[in-house]
Amino acid sequence: DIEMTQFPLSLPVTPGEPASISCRSSQNLLHTNGNNYLDWYLHKPGQSPQLLIYLGSDRASGVPDRFSGSGSGTNFTLKISRVEAEDVGVYYCMQGLQIPQTFGQGTKLEI
Amino acid sequence: EVQLVQSGAEVKKPGESLKISCKGSKYNFRSLWIGWVRQRPGKGLEWMGIIYPGDSDTKYNPAFQGQVTISADKSISTAYLQWNSLKASDTAMYYCATQLPPYSGYDQWGQGTLVTVS
Repeated sequence: DIEMTQFPLSLPVTPGEPASISCRSSQNLLHTNGNNYLDWYLHKPGQSPQLLIYLGSDRASGVPDRFSGSGSGTNFTLKISRVEAEDVGVYYCMQGLQIPQTFGQGTKLEI
Repeated sequence: EVQLVQSGAEVKKPGESLKISCKGSKYNFRSLWIGWVRQRPGKGLEWMGIIYPGDSDTKYNPAFQGQVTISADKSISTAYLQWNSLKASDTAMYYCATQLPPYSGYDQWGQGTLVTVS
């Protein structure tokens, strides 16, 4: 299985300030088609997870542009340009390249 | 977009069987992949498996293979997750989610089904 490692696991932030979460995979997620099969999800308390970023850097429909994804191969980053109070929750990276698809441990963002 | 509605919370005893459902609202349900994700209390997300209702192609996480059965009925746009003999360790929230080919992440999620085995 591809192991996904996130850091930090806990991220205290101040509203209006930027935030960054890193995700490292144990195997290369770059497919021969040029896509990195890496997603980012936000799981807010009491809600279902929601897709933020897919294929490493494509923002999902309706996701604010303060969220951005970058990286390639085995190292990826989710950046929030200016954190808002509504961004609290647990952020997960997930690889979709290989079965079984696997999630990182999660990063809890709190204000 | 596909709206997913999952069946309601369940309370079961160890050894009992259970089948939970995930109903899609859109006509092209058969053209989507439907995945199942587990979240145990206080823990992270775990990918269980995925099914393509169009041809019932199913892929399991080896950690769940033999423990659950994933199925679908494309005629009623519904996917299922089934246990033959529940354990206390199956207590969790279970989510279904859609993945549109060729790949766009899990863009729509059900509201979750809480399964309690006690």
